[in-house]
Amino acid sequence: GEDVEQSLFLSVREGDSSVINCTYTDSSSTYLYWYKQEPGAGLQLLTYIFSNMDMKQDQRLTVLLNKKDKHLSLRIADTQTGDSAIYFCAEYTGGFKTIFGAGTRLFVKA
Amino acid sequence: EAGVAQSPRYKIIEKRQSVAFWCNPISGHATLYWYQQILGQGPKLLIQFQNNGVVDDSQLPKDRFSAERLKGVDSTLKIQPAKLEDSAVYLCASSLQGAGTNYGYTFGSGTRLTVV
Repeated sequence: GEDVEQSLFLSVREGDSSVINCTYTDSSSTYLYWYKQEPGAGLQLLTYIFSNMDMKQDQRLTVLLNKKDKHLSLRIADTQTGDSAIYFCAEYTGGFKTIFGAGTRLFVKA
Repeated sequence: EAGVAQSPRYKIIEKRQSVAFWCNPISGHATLYWYQQILGQGPKLLIQFQNNGVVDDSQLPKDRFSAERLKGVDSTLKIQPAKLEDSAVYLCASSLQGAGTNYGYTFGSGTRLTVV
């Protein structure tokens, strides 16, 4: 079935780079996304990548897609305390459904 | 532009009571989604509307949950009767695109439901 897996926690020091990883199962997924959720708020779309791309950069964010391994990663450069949040990976499947992972909680230590 | 509006922000009810949530999507967004997010999990789709028609309600527990989007704009989600396991955040999202193209959703802040 369709599934998205993420590690649950990541802790980094302020100023370091953070890398959050995700694997998905539907090889016909067309779009893959990263969302950010802060406490008490809804999900905020950070970025998305189309499945025919292998990299996308947007300011401090770099998304890498390995379609062969069905692996997606989000790199945040120069991580700040304001980046502390839960990050959700999601795939838009061939059946036109968006499936979310359980989220990776990022802790940034000052 | 205004975001996705949801109300109420919080609701506490006793089991077997009924509750309703309201959502107003971004103006012009044809597609509206209701998601359930249980603590510690990712959002799970309950129902998807395209304008005022239901596109996907395969995960909606229809014996107790209902949703409508009568004029193709705002939407209500109802639970009757509520169970303890319905305690969750109910998120509404909208998008401009329909099936096939999906540049991501805009989410509201959610309604946190506690069933006691």
